[in-house]
Amino acid sequence: GAVVSQHPSWVICKSGTSVKIECRSLDFQATTMFWYRQFPKQSLMLMATSNEGSKATYEQGVEKDKFLINHASLTLSTLTVTSAHPEDSSFYICSARDVLARSYNEQFFGPGTRLTVL
Amino acid sequence: AQSVTQLDSHVSVSEGTPVLLRCNYSSSYSPSLFWYVQHPNKGLQLLLKYTSAATLVKGINGFEAEFKKSETSFHLTKPSAHMSDAAEYFCVVSPYGGATNKLIFGTGTLLAVQP
Repeated sequence: GAVVSQHPSWVICKSGTSVKIECRSLDFQATTMFWYRQFPKQSLMLMATSNEGSKATYEQGVEKDKFLINHASLTLSTLTVTSAHPEDSSFYICSARDVLARSYNEQFFGPGTRLTVL
Repeated sequence: AQSVTQLDSHVSVSEGTPVLLRCNYSSSYSPSLFWYVQHPNKGLQLLLKYTSAATLVKGINGFEAEFKKSETSFHLTKPSAHMSDAAEYFCVVSPYGGATNKLIFGTGTLLAVQP
């Protein structure tokens, strides 16, 4: 149980285009999902917290107009990187909380999406 | 402020020898602590977690960690390393004992296992 998927697993795009990444909780309801970014050989940095049906909360230094997050259902959150540039190339990872789980503070992670912007 | 420090960026052991990955935390409140493992190009997998129950926590694949409040440490150990243990390991703290959503990640320790 508690499986989180991401699609696509990798994507290459041209500079200036937009890319959408999906995060799905497959067997549980996730009222809260999180988006992280991981640069090569570095740790995960939280970008934003996404609550179903409301606006996402962004961490300091993360541009909300560039990284659009939508959490329209209890099983799906999307991250859209708008007008992508090479410096946006990174590994994007989502996670989700199962609010019905006994250990509600545990997050389940997706496999990640590697974005390369040319 | 809450933080996590992983004292070693790289650890190399021989197969069959013990593993010790060190982690110190800073938290104003009773934290929840986790160890995650990340294999190349794969998602994070939870190894074990401490949530104010037993201080010695047993996880998957033979790993365990001991919460020591006096030392603010949560070191990860395994008696005998296996080749498949080679991966990146992250120590993670969830402040306020889980009342908040955020996870704070350490910088990671890359474990190499030599044959």
